[in-house]
Amino acid sequence: DQQVKQNSPSLSVQEGRISILNCDYTNSMFDYFLWYKKYPAEGPTFLISISSIKDKNEDGRFTVFLNKSAKHLSLHIVPSQPGDSAVYFCAARARGGKLIFGQGTELSVKP
Amino acid sequence: NAGVTQTPKFQVLKTGQSMTLQCAQDMNHNSMYWYRQDPGMGLRLIYYSASEGTTDKGEVPNGYNVSRLNKREFSLRLESAAPSQTSVYFCASSGQLSGLSGNTIYFGEGSWLTVV
Repeated sequence: DQQVKQNSPSLSVQEGRISILNCDYTNSMFDYFLWYKKYPAEGPTFLISISSIKDKNEDGRFTVFLNKSAKHLSLHIVPSQPGDSAVYFCAARARGGKLIFGQGTELSVKP
Repeated sequence: NAGVTQTPKFQVLKTGQSMTLQCAQDMNHNSMYWYRQDPGMGLRLIYYSASEGTTDKGEVPNGYNVSRLNKREFSLRLESAAPSQTSVYFCASSGQLSGLSGNTIYFGEGSWLTVV
């Protein structure tokens, strides 16, 4: 069973607009949530994280929101840029420190 | 800065052949991981090593073995390759499994494995 789910395999956004990537999880014991970005033929790179005791974390154009009651987190990118086009994975940290990843959402930002 | 280095980058195997994917990190990290990435499945943890001398199964360990040779190196072995093991494999490392830092994991560039 998939403990971390990204239900949208792809998202297309116009440059300058907001990109919202969503992630749902089932395990209430996850204590940290992270977003990774992946370009083709490269390994994923860390983007932003949030502790389960917070509901928002912001870093420049990237903001992650956590709704614990809904077991839902989202990544907002404002404004979106063509260089943001990549696959975005959300991940949750389980007991013992392992990261469980979602399926990924491919973001395309069009000029 | 090499970070996490994995070899080979590309490999084609015949069903039943064996091979080892090598991984090394130069960040003095305690924890190392092997993930596989498949379309629509995301990144799934195969095995991980919390520290030198320890290894544990992840989500999809069947058909694989690992060795934490020392603090720097963590290898993944396919004893008898199957077409279902065609995938992109990522090695990763992190400073610690627990703690308040959020446990940033650093990934290698990936190894593309095809089993025919």
